[in-house]
Amino acid sequence: ETGVTQSPTHLIKTRGQQVTLRCSSQSGHNTVSWYQQALGQGPQFIFQYYREEENGRGNFPPRFSGLQFPNYSSELNVNALELDDSALYLCASSIGPSSGNTIYFGEGSWLTVV
Amino acid sequence: LAKTTQPISMDSYEGQEVNITCSHNNIATNDYITWYQQFPSQGPRFIIQGYKTKVTNEVASLFIPADRKSSTLSLPRVSLSDTAVYYCLSLLSGNTPLVFGKGTRLSVIA
Repeated sequence: ETGVTQSPTHLIKTRGQQVTLRCSSQSGHNTVSWYQQALGQGPQFIFQYYREEENGRGNFPPRFSGLQFPNYSSELNVNALELDDSALYLCASSIGPSSGNTIYFGEGSWLTVV
Repeated sequence: LAKTTQPISMDSYEGQEVNITCSHNNIATNDYITWYQQFPSQGPRFIIQGYKTKVTNEVASLFIPADRKSSTLSLPRVSLSDTAVYYCLSLLSGNTPLVFGKGTRLSVIA
């Protein structure tokens, strides 16, 4: 148990639809990062939120957006879903944005786009 | 792009010691070396982190030579439950995200 919880665990969406994934960070952690993991690949960084502000972004298009709330929980929104968006979406929390800090991952949300 | 290179897969029998070596030729002075473990359908889990020489915890040991161009994760007496993908990362201490490669898929056989 890492204390990072994600919902939903599994979902199926149709191409063109929109999806919202949610993450509750570990208690005391003010930084949340989101990663996309395609089958057989390592996780790829989408973006990071620190104290409710976006604090870095990977090579993902603008239809991937996020929010962080005052309690440091976070949402990942993906618009205009494409088949290639099918993946495991991982949320990770840490004390501060420095990647030298230990980062704790949730179990992920499996998204299937059909 | 991942800054590290590691074998794609390894097999081991139960009870053996497993050493997974990672090369990080472009490691920067301020980079830490960190290893993560990922079971199927779960998020990666932090195993161990070091800067140089040797670090040991209840799960594994990490050996880092003086030039820091490589590191070796050592898992003592593996069991079937150690079957997982193991990722090595070199991380800046600043505001940078984790950069994962494809990892090493360890299969432990009875």
